[in-house]
Amino acid sequence: DIVMTQSPDSLAVSLGERATINCKSSQSVLYSPNNKHYLAWFQQKPGQPPKQLFYWASTRESGVPDRFSGSGSGTDFTLTISSLQAEDVAVYYCQQYHSAPFTFGQGTRLEIK
Amino acid sequence: EVQVLESGGGLVQPGGSLRLSCAASGFTFSSVAMSWVRQAPGKGPEWVSTISFAGDTTYYADSVKGRFSISRDNSKNTLYLQMSSLRAEDTAAYYCAKGGARTKFDYWGQGTLVTVSS
Repeated sequence: DIVMTQSPDSLAVSLGERATINCKSSQSVLYSPNNKHYLAWFQQKPGQPPKQLFYWASTRESGVPDRFSGSGSGTDFTLTISSLQAEDVAVYYCQQYHSAPFTFGQGTRLEIK
Repeated sequence: EVQVLESGGGLVQPGGSLRLSCAASGFTFSSVAMSWVRQAPGKGPEWVSTISFAGDTTYYADSVKGRFSISRDNSKNTLYLQMSSLRAEDTAAYYCAKGGARTKFDYWGQGTLVTVSS
C-alpha cells in the first residue's frame, strides 16, 4: 500500500501570508505511460464533503482561486496558498489515486494566526 | 450540473446489514468509475471501494473486503454499496464519489451517515 504522510499536522498563518503544506508518498505515484503524477489535493470545511482542489499534482480544478497552487514530483508534493484568506480555514488532504488502496494523508488543519 | 446523492444510511446493530445507494446525474454515468469513501467522526477520509465504469472490476479496502460489495446499475445511473457483518468501527459518513482507479475523485455527495451500535 502507498502511505501518504502530510506535514505539518496543523498550521497557523496570518491573513495575507503564505501557507505551505507538504505531502510525501511512500512510493512513486507517477504513471509512466502519460508521465502524470496521480496525486490530488482536497479541502474540507466543517460539515462539508471534501472538495478537490488539484489533480495530477498541479492541475487546478475549475473555480479554485489562483492563490492556490500545487507542485511536486516523484514522492514529494506541496500545496501552497500564496496569500491566506479567512475562507481558506479548513483541513487539507492529499490523496494518491495511482493504485488501490487509494490512500489519503492524515490531514493538515489550517488556521488563522 | 453534476450531482451525486447518497441514501440508505441509518442505525444498525453490530453484525447487521445495510445497503447504500447513490443516484448520479449530470454526467455520463456509464463512462466513469465510481467510488465510496467514508469518514469516521473527527477522522480523515478513508477510501472504501471502487468499481469500473462497466462494473467488471472492483477494488476494496482490506478493512471491508469480504463484508462489503460494490455494484452499479448503469441503466438507472445508480451506485450501490451492500454492507454486511457491520462493526462499530464502520460507523462513518459514507460518501459517493465520481472517479477512482486513476480517475480523479472530482465530485462528492453530501454523504449518508451509518451508525453501528447496539
